[in-house]
Amino acid sequence: DAGVIQSPRHEVTEMGQEVTLRCKPISGHNSLFWYRQTMMRGLELLIYFNNNVPIDDSGMPEDRFSAKMPNASFSTLKIQPSEPRDSAVYFCASSSQRTGGILNTEAFFGQGTRLTVV
Amino acid sequence: SQQGEEDPQALSIQEGENATMNCSYKTSINNLQWYRQNSGRGLVHLILIRSNEREKHSGRLRVTLDTSKKSSSLLITASRAADTASYFCATDAGSARQLTFGSGTQLTVLP
Repeated sequence: DAGVIQSPRHEVTEMGQEVTLRCKPISGHNSLFWYRQTMMRGLELLIYFNNNVPIDDSGMPEDRFSAKMPNASFSTLKIQPSEPRDSAVYFCASSSQRTGGILNTEAFFGQGTRLTVV
Repeated sequence: SQQGEEDPQALSIQEGENATMNCSYKTSINNLQWYRQNSGRGLVHLILIRSNEREKHSGRLRVTLDTSKKSSSLLITASRAADTASYFCATDAGSARQLTFGSGTQLTVLP
């Protein structure tokens, strides 16, 4: 398996522009997470999907942020309009909630998208 | 909000020595996990310990969990330069089944 795939790896954009980050989870995983990592705030959970349905989006910082999961193999995180303080590394992770009947939340992370908003 | 807090924030040791990192958390948990992150890369799962377990081993890793003190420790024995990375604890708490990460310990193993 190729693991969790994120694109792009790097994104530099101007303030006010729309940014779309993409994620392909591991096939068969039914949970997907979007995290943001900065030096100041560490790893923050933005939103969590289970079976393509958003379960908890309380970590989404503002209405400028939105996330979708139209099917089990694809998710997007959109920022519109982007601001310099959105600069961070954004990670997507997926997990299979059950392994052999045991509830398991081990998460598999993508390589991240480094976003720079200038 | 961050559930786990790692201690120390940074640790520097010589190759061959053991490295111990600690994690404290605030609420009841289903399990606690440790992850490793190399610079510029994603996080990699190392080990999971369930709330009813007290100790777990995986290769050179040893994890302990004390639910009464709401704390966990990660021991890396016979460290290698390649162990240099940031190490995070993450807690799975409540019914939401989502992970909350601590602030991490930056481990540097000197050759």
